[in-house]
Amino acid sequence: GDSVTQMEGPVTLSEEAFLTINCTYTATGYPSLFWYVQYPGEGLQLLLKATKADDKGSNKGFEATYRKETTSFHLEKGSVQVSDSAVYFCALSEYGGATNKLIFGTGTLLAVQP
Amino acid sequence: EAGVAQSPRYKIIEKRQSVAFWCNPISGHATLYWYQQILGQGPKLLIQFQNNGVVDDSQLPKDRFSAERLKGVDSTLKIQPAKLEDSAVYLCASSPSGSLYNEQFFGPGTRLTVL
Repeated sequence: GDSVTQMEGPVTLSEEAFLTINCTYTATGYPSLFWYVQYPGEGLQLLLKATKADDKGSNKGFEATYRKETTSFHLEKGSVQVSDSAVYFCALSEYGGATNKLIFGTGTLLAVQP
Repeated sequence: EAGVAQSPRYKIIEKRQSVAFWCNPISGHATLYWYQQILGQGPKLLIQFQNNGVVDDSQLPKDRFSAERLKGVDSTLKIQPAKLEDSAVYLCASSPSGSLYNEQFFGPGTRLTVL
């Protein structure tokens, strides 16, 4: 079945460092791809999405490009802040009939130090 | 706009007891989802409702889990009897419809500990 694999954490960076969190997927069709973020004590929030190959999703300085040839959707940010500390989940949306359930990776904890 | 509401936020029970979780989705959202998130793992869909009908419950352990959405608005997820492996965060999410590109909005979750 469809699945998502993302790099294990924790990822510890200093403020203003460059961030990359790797995500690869396996899917039989052409899924939509998402990054969700979970700040401490809060629910999951959509960070960005891409719905077809070569689309680039972006939000709050984060970017990810849907790469069909490498089945990847890596998350990047040029300069992280302490406030970016959170757990990041890569996910795909599998479509079959009326369902659009999300299939998540295991999450990557990011800790940004001042 | 109010977000997805869930209660309780935390629950501790002993194995073989029963427990129920409540979710109120964003007003007007037709689709409601329940996910289970075990520590160290990503959320896994348990059940999806479209209005008050079940769209997908293939991952729901039906021998012990049940869920309903009687009036197409709020929903209840029940576990009876609970097992140790049910310890997890139960997330409720909603979206305006079941289409492919719609964002799912998540509640804060209910953390269940089974002793």
